[in-house]
Parts: sequence; structure tokens; C-alpha cells
Amino acid sequence: QSALTQPASVSGSPGQSITISCTGTSSDVSGYDYVCWYQQHPGKAPKLMIYDVSNRPSGVSNRFSGSKSGSTASLTISGLQAEDEADYYCSSFSTSGTLVVFGGGTKLTVL
Amino acid sequence: EVQLMESGGGLVQPAGSLRLSCAASGFTFRDHAMSWVRQAPGKGLEWVSSITYTGNTYYTESVKGRFSISRDNSKGTLSLQMDSLRAEDTALYYCAKVIKSNGWKIDYWGQGTLVTVSS
Repeated sequence: QSALTQPASVSGSPGQSITISCTGTSSDVSGYDYVCWYQQHPGKAPKLMIYDVSNRPSGVSNRFSGSKSGSTASLTISGLQAEDEADYYCSSFSTSGTLVVFGGGTKLTVL
Repeated sequence: EVQLMESGGGLVQPAGSLRLSCAASGFTFRDHAMSWVRQAPGKGLEWVSSITYTGNTYYTESVKGRFSISRDNSKGTLSLQMDSLRAEDTALYYCAKVIKSNGWKIDYWGQGTLVTVSS
């Protein structure tokens, strides 16, 4: 069982917006603003999409945004495109004995 | 351009050993902490180990005493010595670069090297 809880799957139609949640504890998500989101296409390495809860690395589309409220972080993708179909993982710094914790991953399907 | 190239994976019997290496380029290696993250077949990501730029090391509980992370700043290489391997260590092992700030956040990943532990 992963330390952070994500829904197993979400789906949306092209042009729509979707939100993926990531729930943790006071030892990770709610205690620190070090939440990251990664996109992973099949057979590929993860790609950083969001860091420090809501910051986008250079080159990442502004259709991707992040936020946090209490122990739950969220990734929102607006204007869904076919290329957004992938697995998405959240991660956080943690003080519970594991330096970094990941969510179990969410499979995004673009209908 | 940041590049991380892992090598050393393969098939090994339970209780055996393997040494993974990662050749880094495109950034000032000695200034960055580095990590190993693994992904079992069809499963999610799992943090394995990290090392600061000064050599302080950290491990997930399940590999403590069996795995050892190290780095050679003069060569720009990261290593993971894996001993007493178990079937549950079977995974794709990613070498990862840590952002130069607090929080151990990973910004770049290699393509991974596959470790299979089986008799």
C-alpha cells in the first residue's frame, strides 16, 4: 500500500478539465510544501510536471496546475488533449521514516 | 541537456548481488543530491535511496543493510550496490537527479535498468 492515496483512474473528454487528488498526512503533504506531480507514458521515464505544490518547470504546459488543501494535494489538467493520457504520480517529502513517498498512481484516460 | 544513463541491471538469483551505475552529464553533478527510485513490473514508483552532494545517505526500510548508495563526484557517477537480493527487489531502477533545494524533489530521471531476481 502506497503512502499517499490517489484514485486508480480518472477520465475525461478532450477539452474538459480533470482533477487528480493525492491524500497524505501531517508527516508529508500537509506538513510541507514539497509535493510533486509526475507524468509517465507507457514504457517511458517519469516527467516532472509540478513541484513545490504549484510550480511548473520550464516547458510544461500551463494547462497543468497544482494546489493543496490540508492533507490533500491536487493536480488539475485543463483543456484535455489525447497526449495527456498517461499515468500520474504524486510525491512528497516525508518525515515518517521514508525520505520521499509516492502515491500509487492514477491512470488518466482521454475518452 | 541533463542525461542520466543507468547500467548494470540483469538477472540474478535470490541472495545474489548486483551493482548498478548511473553516468550523469549536462549538469554540475557534485552540486546535486541524487536518488534511486524503482518500479516493479506494472506497479507504482517506490523511493529506494538518496545521497547528498556531500555523501550523506538514506534508505527505505526494506533495503537497509542490503543496499549501499555511493557517488564519485570526479567521474559524475552514481552507484547502487545491491546485496542479498530478494524476489521483491525485481524492478526497473531509475537514477534520478534531485532539485537543488529543500524537499528531495526529483526533476530528471534516467530511462532505468531492469533488475530481475529469480532462480
